[in-house]
Amino acid sequence: NAGVTQTPKFRILKIGQSMTLQCAQDMNHNYMYWYRQDPGMGLKLIYYSVGAGITDKGEVPNGYNVSRSTTEDFPLRLELAAPSQTSVYFCASNPIGVSASSYNEQFFGPGTRLTVL
Amino acid sequence: LAKTTQPISMDSYEGQEVNITCSHNNIATNDYITWYQQFPSQGPRFIIQGYKTKVTNEVASLFIPADRKSSTLSLPRVSLSDTAVYYCLGVTTSGTYKYIFGTGTRLKVLA
Repeated sequence: NAGVTQTPKFRILKIGQSMTLQCAQDMNHNYMYWYRQDPGMGLKLIYYSVGAGITDKGEVPNGYNVSRSTTEDFPLRLELAAPSQTSVYFCASNPIGVSASSYNEQFFGPGTRLTVL
Repeated sequence: LAKTTQPISMDSYEGQEVNITCSHNNIATNDYITWYQQFPSQGPRFIIQGYKTKVTNEVASLFIPADRKSSTLSLPRVSLSDTAVYYCLGVTTSGTYKYIFGTGTRLKVLA
């Protein structure tokens, strides 16, 4: 298994440009997440999805959009890039078991380093 | 979701045991306490999780007292490669399975 993969690894955008950060997982996980991490800070949840066709906002969703048409893919869209979106973006997934009393660890991708100038 | 509070940073020397404490006063009955480790330029990696009492695996031990208002991650005999940021989070198992990471504890292991 490749696990969680993210593309691109690095990207520089100009203010106002748009782009899509790709995330894919081959573990058949139900739940997928997008986080951003600013320098020296913790991770902040942007959006998450509990399955194909279902997404919900996290802590910092403004300026981003997501879709989940398949179990494997969870792209993150930036429509009008702003300098405040300069950050490292991590995608993660985890399997949610049938039993609500169990916990499943998150598996993270390698991240996408985005700079908006 | 439980709000967690951890020390911002800690220093230790190689070979010592390191204990990182996390406070989570409003932890809910359904929350599990989970710890992640993050090296520079990498995504976080799961270390250990627990509900109460003590859990041990090949990497660490996790102590959770009966009132569950705090927990302690114990790293035995740390090495330079344990230098990382450690996050404590409460994960609810009812509802949406949201994971909220705080700022973590930056552990620096010195030679």
